[in-house]
Amino acid sequence: DVKVTQSSRYLVKRTGEKVFLECVQDMDHENMFWYRQDPGLGLRLIYFSYDVKMKEKGDIPEGYSVSREKKERFSLILESASTNQTSMYLCASSQIRQGRAFFGQGTRLTVV
Amino acid sequence: TQLLEQSPQFLSIQEGENLTVYCNSSSVFSSLQWYRQEPGEGPVLLVTVVTGGEVKKLKRLTFQFGDARKDSSLHITAAQPGDTGLYLCAGGSWGDMRFGAGTRLTVKP
Repeated sequence: DVKVTQSSRYLVKRTGEKVFLECVQDMDHENMFWYRQDPGLGLRLIYFSYDVKMKEKGDIPEGYSVSREKKERFSLILESASTNQTSMYLCASSQIRQGRAFFGQGTRLTVV
Repeated sequence: TQLLEQSPQFLSIQEGENLTVYCNSSSVFSSLQWYRQEPGEGPVLLVTVVTGGEVKKLKRLTFQFGDARKDSSLHITAAQPGDTGLYLCAGGSWGDMRFGAGTRLTVKP
């Protein structure tokens, strides 16, 4: 069974902390994505990566960075967490040139 | 950025009713996907439509891709409480997939 695994289901962090969200996929997919989901706003693309060490900004990259050192792993980094980054974060992967994305279970991050 | 607009945003119906939700854009997509998301979980793919005018059926769900490949619809026949969830459409070029805001469907017994 295909799988995208996010390291935490729930996280509570303090304002100003550096936060790492990890995502691992076991499908050898080229594409990986990070979205945040907020009520009424849907899924907004933060960053995506189409290959190791490659990254592209999505619609809302400010305050975030990413790392893809290995094909199976895509990390989202909040350099200095702020309360407006409280959200559900979803990682996804897909094969290149194919639309179907597989999602992790999500990480609900609360910044206090 | 290719924007996808979904309507309605919320829909609450009784079991057994039919419904249609829409996904519209001013951009042409090579394909569109429909996902369903339950609370606390990630979205799960329902279908991908590729060809303009295409109609796909998945049991009581019927998906249609517009002739110009700018819009899509999802029709549910005889809705059941198990259909409750957030329905999302998505599309984009090969790397940067974008999602609509979704239609939150509630089917009451």
